[in-house]
Amino acid sequence: NAGVTQTPKFQVLKTGQSMTLQCAQDMNHEYMSWYRQDPGMGLRLIHYSVGAGITDQGEVPNGYNVSRSTTEDFPLRLLSAAPSQTSVYFCASRLSWAGELFFGEGSRLTVL
Amino acid sequence: GIQVEQSPPDLILQEGANSTLRCNFSDSVNNLQWFHQNPWGQLINLFYIPSGTKQNGRLSATTVATERYSLLYISSSQTTDSGVYFCAVERSSNTGKLIFGQGTTLQVKP
Repeated sequence: NAGVTQTPKFQVLKTGQSMTLQCAQDMNHEYMSWYRQDPGMGLRLIHYSVGAGITDQGEVPNGYNVSRSTTEDFPLRLLSAAPSQTSVYFCASRLSWAGELFFGEGSRLTVL
Repeated sequence: GIQVEQSPPDLILQEGANSTLRCNFSDSVNNLQWFHQNPWGQLINLFYIPSGTKQNGRLSATTVATERYSLLYISSSQTTDSGVYFCAVERSSNTGKLIFGQGTTLQVKP
């Protein structure tokens, strides 16, 4: 099993550009989520999904869109990147509403 | 929202020493997990422990949900234990939002 796979691992954008961070899991997990990690801020929840077709906002959702058309995939879209979105992004999944959370390896995004 | 406070923020140990990390939270929770982020940035789940006590090798954790705290014990620390330890909680009334504390940065010196 690959677990939780994130792509790309590194990305540099210019202000105003759009991009999608991909996240896929092969563990048949219902729950998936996106976090961002900034120095001194810990991990903050952006969006999460409790199943295909269902998404909800986390602590810091502004500037990000998500969708969940399949159980396996949960992409994170930045429609117009801003320097404040420079961060390390982590995707995570778990079997259901409870249980251990498993993380991908992270994607480092720099917005110039 | 729920507040999650971890202490101490930083900890330096000599190899072989024991330590206790604390996580306080401000509301009733149905989910509490401990994670280790290694120096390469990988996040590893250590314990899923909404209540009670669990042990895994040199690590153990205890959550007293009624008093709103959890403790992570590291015994006979090794240099590979270095990194950041995070506690994350989910409110009983707000399932889906797993909220992280700021973390405890541990450095184990040889």
